[in-house]
Amino acid sequence: EAGVAQSPRYKIIEKRQSVAFWCNPISGHATLYWYQQILGQGPKLLIQFQNNGVVDDSQLPKDRFSAERLKGVDSTLKIQPAKLEDSAVYLCASSLFTSSISYNEQFFGPGTRLTVL
Amino acid sequence: LAKTTQPISMDSYEGQEVNITCSHNNIATNDYITWYQQFPSQGPRFIIQGYKTKVTNEVASLFIPADRKSSTLSLPRVSLSDTAVYYCLVGVWGKFQFGAGTQVVVTP
Repeated sequence: EAGVAQSPRYKIIEKRQSVAFWCNPISGHATLYWYQQILGQGPKLLIQFQNNGVVDDSQLPKDRFSAERLKGVDSTLKIQPAKLEDSAVYLCASSLFTSSISYNEQFFGPGTRLTVL
Repeated sequence: LAKTTQPISMDSYEGQEVNITCSHNNIATNDYITWYQQFPSQGPRFIIQGYKTKVTNEVASLFIPADRKSSTLSLPRVSLSDTAVYYCLVGVWGKFQFGAGTQVVVTP
């Protein structure tokens, strides 16, 4: 079974530039997550999708970050314009959705390491 | 969201048992407790999940007392490859967050 795919793996940009990250979840996984992980910290959830609808985006800095999952499969996370403090690893994860209220195991991709200069 | 507290780091020798305790005083009735492992330059990987009492799988055990205000991840007979950061999560689908994690270092 193929895992969660992300690209690019690394990106270096100047501040105020734009950048986009792509994620393809595991086939059949209806739920998709984007996390930001700053060095030395745990992953911080930015946005959670259920199919192509947003479940939670309360921690997404909406003035500069945007994300979409138009066809309910792959997803794109964009930063425009980037700031120095956006330097981090951006992780994508996916999980199955069930009607149960229990927490569902997430499968993570390798992440994209972003450096903003 | 339930806040979790874990030790920042733990050291162990190969072959020993490692126990990491996570405190989650404001856990809600429907919340599950989940542990993830993360190696450098990789995304986190699911280890184990439980609701109450004890859960065991091929890699770890999870002990949850009756009041559910804490949980302990037990890694039996660790090896060098178990050196990683371990995260405790508390919540349900759509409502959860990662804490700062515990860095476990295993030495020969």
